[in-house]
Amino acid sequence: NAGVMQNPRHLVRRRGQEARLRCSPMKGHSHVYWYRQLPEEGLKFMVYLQKENIIDESGMPKERFSAEFPKEGPSILRIQQVVRGDSAAYFCASLPGIDNEQFFGPGTRLTVL
Amino acid sequence: QKEVEQNSGPLSVPEGAIASLNCTYSDRVSQSFFWYRQYSGKSPELIMSIYSNGDKEDGRFTAQLNKASQYVSLLIRDSQPSDSATYLCAVGWKEYGNKLVFGAGTILRVKS
Repeated sequence: NAGVMQNPRHLVRRRGQEARLRCSPMKGHSHVYWYRQLPEEGLKFMVYLQKENIIDESGMPKERFSAEFPKEGPSILRIQQVVRGDSAAYFCASLPGIDNEQFFGPGTRLTVL
Repeated sequence: QKEVEQNSGPLSVPEGAIASLNCTYSDRVSQSFFWYRQYSGKSPELIMSIYSNGDKEDGRFTAQLNKASQYVSLLIRDSQPSDSATYLCAVGWKEYGNKLVFGAGTILRVKS
């Protein structure tokens, strides 16, 4: 079974550009969570999505960040007008149902120059 | 504010010893508890989950949960240098969609 896939694995952007991070959940998984890990810090929840629905976005910054999980295709985390403070590792996790264990993808390491 | 606390370490143990990692959490209604291992530059890897009071064993790993004391621990028997990593304690709350709240992690170093 293929695990959770994320791409790109590394992304470099200049300040003001847009970053698009993709997460393809494991087959059969319809729940996706995004987490961010700042340098030397722990993982922080950002957003929880099911197909075509945002369930909980309480961890998302109010501006510049958005997420979607369309009926077809991967989940996308979009960061507009990136700033240096956005440099971090972004992980997604998927699971088949709400009561299951979360399995993480390899992450996207975003560097903002 | 739901919080998960871990000693950041580093915890150093000799090869073959038992490593004991501890975690406390702030809310009595927490329902699911996880230990993840994270090597430097890598993603978290789930090693144990526990949902009810008591012990759960899987190979060299034992998770212990005490909901009354709001305490969860991970024991690693016969520690190996390859166990050297950061261990993340995570707690899930069903009423919050089971999003995970992570501790800051404990760095474990196993010396050969």
